[in-house]
Amino acid sequence: NAGVTQTPKFQVLKTGQSMTLQCAQDMNHEYMSWYRQDPGMGLRLIHYSVGAGITDQGEVPNGYNVSRSTTEDFPLRLLSAAPSQTSVYFCASSRAYSRGADQPQHFGDGTRLSIL
Amino acid sequence: SQKIEQNSEALNIQEGKTATLTCNYTNYSPAYLQWYRQDPGRGPVFLLLIRENEKEKRKERLKVTFDTTLKQSLFHITASQPADSATYLCAHRDSNYQLIWGAGTKLIIKP
Repeated sequence: NAGVTQTPKFQVLKTGQSMTLQCAQDMNHEYMSWYRQDPGMGLRLIHYSVGAGITDQGEVPNGYNVSRSTTEDFPLRLLSAAPSQTSVYFCASSRAYSRGADQPQHFGDGTRLSIL
Repeated sequence: SQKIEQNSEALNIQEGKTATLTCNYTNYSPAYLQWYRQDPGRGPVFLLLIRENEKEKRKERLKVTFDTTLKQSLFHITASQPADSATYLCAHRDSNYQLIWGAGTKLIIKP
């Protein structure tokens, strides 16, 4: 099973450039999310989606856009890259959760992004 | 604000001993706690989920406890092996139902 697939694995950008990080899952999960992971800090939520056509902001959304046109795909767009966006980006998916039933997250292996 | 704290210092354990990792949370009372393992260069992998009324949950050599009075979860690995060396993350949902994460504790099992 592929699970959650992220591309590219590595990317170097110059300040001001834009790019799209791809994320696809094959588990028919309703919920998808993007995190960034920086040294010494916990994963921080950028954007999330509870289903196709529905997205919302997380803790650190500035400088990023998302869309969810299909259940499978959830791309993350950097509009104008800044050095502060140098990080490791993880995409995750899960079944829908509720107060009565939490759900584990399934993660991709990340995109390591450097902004010069 | 809601926070999760994990020991930032690496934990060094001799092979065969029990490793115990701590997760403390503040300013919120979550209904669930989740534990993940993360290897270098990889995404986190789910290990265990515990409800607030379960107190303890086991999976093979893993055991998780949940003390709502102390606002703390403990993660135990018994009969530890070098292959258990990794960073372990804990997480819980905040008041908006989104997961918030600790920074993780690096566990090193020495042969």
